Amino acid sequence: AQSVAQPEDQVNVAEGNPLTVKCTYSVSGNPYLFWYVQYPNRGLQFLLKYITGDNLVKGSYGFEAEFNKSQTSFHLKKPSALVSDSALYFCAVMATGRRALTFGSGTRLQVQP
Amino acid sequence: DAGVIQSPRHEVTEMGQEVTLRCKPISGHDYLFWYRQTMMRGLELLIYFNNNVPIDDSGMPEDRFSAKMPNASFSTLKIQPSEPRDSAVYFCASSGQTYEQYFGPGTRLTVT
Repeated sequence: AQSVAQPEDQVNVAEGNPLTVKCTYSVSGNPYLFWYVQYPNRGLQFLLKYITGDNLVKGSYGFEAEFNKSQTSFHLKKPSALVSDSALYFCAVMATGRRALTFGSGTRLQVQP
Repeated sequence: DAGVIQSPRHEVTEMGQEVTLRCKPISGHDYLFWYRQTMMRGLELLIYFNNNVPIDDSGMPEDRFSAKMPNASFSTLKIQPSEPRDSAVYFCASSGQTYEQYFGPGTRLTVT
């Protein structure tokens, strides 16, 4: 069975500083990996995905993620954080041949002005 | 595109009552998913459909839960009878051939 770990419940970063939200996964076969963001009382918004190809994936709002197969990680990054990036971030994995997502527990990102 | 549409946005009901949640997926998407979000269990898949056919319902908690997709533009999730432990936010999502799923705004269900 597949699983996702987000080891940090909360990440605090100052506006303008780089941010990293960590994610590791476990899945049989080649992983399909995703990041979503959730604002209060809203649904999840898709940020980016890794299916195949370049290990560095660029997504919406200046976010990017790096796929590392040997470390089974897919960390979310942004060079310069904005206060408006403050939200709940979810990493998710899709097993080959199955279209459902398995989500991590989420990481709350707080960007201080 | 209007995105995934869910109704109602909020539902408050008494234990034992029947609850029906509704979802309209994005036009052209052939996959539809129902997820539940709670503080204790996080986000968990309940069931998903492909071309209106249920593919995986292993996440449906018990016989009190049922889901249908009578056509490509409509799905329902029904809980009968409802219990307080069913209180959660229920999300519907849809996807096409590019794998990412697009989520609706959710239905916040409170069972008293």
